[in-house]
Amino acid sequence: QKEVEQDPGPLSVPEGAIVSLNCTYSNSAFQYFMWYRQYSRKGPELLMYTYSSGNKEDGRFTAQVDKSSKYISLFIRDSQPSDSATYLCALTTDSWGKLQFGAGTQVVVTP
Amino acid sequence: GAVVSQHPSWVICKSGTSVKIECRSLDFQATTMFWYRQFPKQSLMLMATSNEGSKATYEQGVEKDKFLINHASLTLSTLTVTSAHPEDSSFYICSARVGGVKAGNIQYFGAGTRLSVL
Repeated sequence: QKEVEQDPGPLSVPEGAIVSLNCTYSNSAFQYFMWYRQYSRKGPELLMYTYSSGNKEDGRFTAQVDKSSKYISLFIRDSQPSDSATYLCALTTDSWGKLQFGAGTQVVVTP
Repeated sequence: GAVVSQHPSWVICKSGTSVKIECRSLDFQATTMFWYRQFPKQSLMLMATSNEGSKATYEQGVEKDKFLINHASLTLSTLTVTSAHPEDSSFYICSARVGGVKAGNIQYFGAGTRLSVL
């Protein structure tokens, strides 16, 4: 069983819809939770960073962490075609550890 | 936000030659940099962790003599693929971590280097 599970998609949504992405994990020691966006043949770009449980909002993006369920989510409101990319969750246990990445979910927002 | 520059973005080389990829943190000092490899439609695979002034730590299965990593300063790490072969063709990405406990464990990534070995 992988430490971090993420559905690879593709997830296709119409423009303006809410995109809902999630990852589940097995290691309860994870404390730092990140979401990255990666366009084709580009490096990942940090979108959201959360320490421990709770919600965080930044513009159209909302990240949620539920440590009791070992479940993290990313929501994108008012999706745009420019949001079409692969979204990777990344988790780590402390300030120095390696990042554990999910497989990445490919999102396609159709005009 | 923190900017990481990676160069070159695309390189084509002949089999048997060596290729050097540079990774620079432009507006912050990175005590730790990471090198990843990514195959099409797959997630990132960590190759090695590079700490300034010390030897890199390689992940299991990664050949140290094939992938030479040097982290000579707080803003520069290099990956040299030695005697490259077609199976080394891949997308290589570096990242740099902002130091300090308060900064958490955020890594900022370069744009990646596409290596094609003929």
